[in-house]
Amino acid sequence: QVQLQESGPGLVKPSETLSLTCSVSGDSISTYYWNWIRQPPGKGLEWIGSIYYSGSTNSNPSLKSRVTLSVDTSKNHFSLKLTSVTAADTAFYYCARGSPYFDYWGQGTLVTVSS
Amino acid sequence: AIQLTQSPSSLSASLGDRVTITCRASQGVSSSLAWYQQKPGKPPKLLIYHASSLISGVPSRFSGSGSGTDFTLTISSLQPEDFATYYCQQFNTYLPITFGQGTRLEIK
Repeated sequence: QVQLQESGPGLVKPSETLSLTCSVSGDSISTYYWNWIRQPPGKGLEWIGSIYYSGSTNSNPSLKSRVTLSVDTSKNHFSLKLTSVTAADTAFYYCARGSPYFDYWGQGTLVTVSS
Repeated sequence: AIQLTQSPSSLSASLGDRVTITCRASQGVSSSLAWYQQKPGKPPKLLIYHASSLISGVPSRFSGSGSGTDFTLTISSLQPEDFATYYCQQFNTYLPITFGQGTRLEIK
């Protein structure tokens, strides 16, 4: 059974960097694409970006200048860094498997941007 | 980016009703469209991909159709567990993945 689990700080100060990791179990990260998707509380879904095990990435142009995606095949996990955060970046952050459709998702982690 | 507009934004229906949700794309996406179901406090669940292909384990009362810019998700006979928010999602090779704004399906 494929499982994804997000981890990272739940509170980040404005202008700082949001860092999250998604640990994958039940599947090798050296297959498929792996994604980050976010959802502000009570609102809709926004795709942040995807990464392949080779390190090839694709990001949403609306966030691209602030997003860094990385993958660690030895740990079977992948990570997101989002720089210069503001209150608008407060959201549930999900990691998900697949491209172009997302068939397995983590439970999500709420990241609040506040001083 | 391709915009997806879902209608209606919210919908009240009764058990056993047939329900249709529409997703319209601002430009053609061929059949590269999926539907997700999301319940409160949970991640979205993939129901349909490639516009009309049902994910294994999803009840057959769910169906999808369409291509190009107009798509529909139909639930043939509403069950209690179907009350949720539904999102469409498109993929285009050269443009970012986007989602519709969601359709909230409530019990009448």
